[in-house]
Amino acid sequence: ELKVEQNPLFLSMQEGKNYTIYCNYSTTSDRLYWYRQDPGKSLESLFVLLSNGAVKQEGRLMASLDTKARLSTLHITAAVHDLSATYFCAVDELAAGNKLTFGGGTRVLVKP
Amino acid sequence: EPEVTQTPSHQVTQMGQEVILRCVPISNHLYFYWYRQILGQKVEFLVSFYNNEISEKSEIFDDQFSVERPDGSNFTLKIRSTKLEDSAMYFCATKWDGSSYEQYFGPGTRLTVT
Repeated sequence: ELKVEQNPLFLSMQEGKNYTIYCNYSTTSDRLYWYRQDPGKSLESLFVLLSNGAVKQEGRLMASLDTKARLSTLHITAAVHDLSATYFCAVDELAAGNKLTFGGGTRVLVKP
Repeated sequence: EPEVTQTPSHQVTQMGQEVILRCVPISNHLYFYWYRQILGQKVEFLVSFYNNEISEKSEIFDDQFSVERPDGSNFTLKIRSTKLEDSAMYFCATKWDGSSYEQYFGPGTRLTVT
């Protein structure tokens, strides 16, 4: 059974500083997704990482994928209050109808 | 931009009642999924549906749950006899075909069982 673990579960950030969220998964997969969720809202797709070594950047967020280590990271540069949300990684099980298995989420709170 | 829609946005029901949650997929999408998220917890896969049949289901998706596309457009999730622990946010997601990778999520239906 595929397991996806994120850490930390909660991250209190100071504006202007850099932070990293980690996502480990237990089986081979070449597809990893990062989503953002605001309270009471749906999942907003941030990044789709499709191959080993993939790196994607959007604004202050950068995601990378190391399939050999089964690790993805979401790096936040110079945090701002607007980035406060819960971030989920999810792994695509190709052999299981492409169902997504999600990590437990990282709740991010950016303080002034 | 095309989007997945879900109705209702919030459903309150009494324990033991049947509920039907509805999803309108993006046009031309062929793969459909239901996920749920209990308040404050992670998103969990329930079921995937393709070519009018279930392709994968989780342990959560027991005999109380069923899915169908009754009219070729809506994709529904039925819970036959709701329990308190069914209270959650239910998300529909759809995907174009087997070779595409991104699932598009709807806004969700908040189900409250009292």
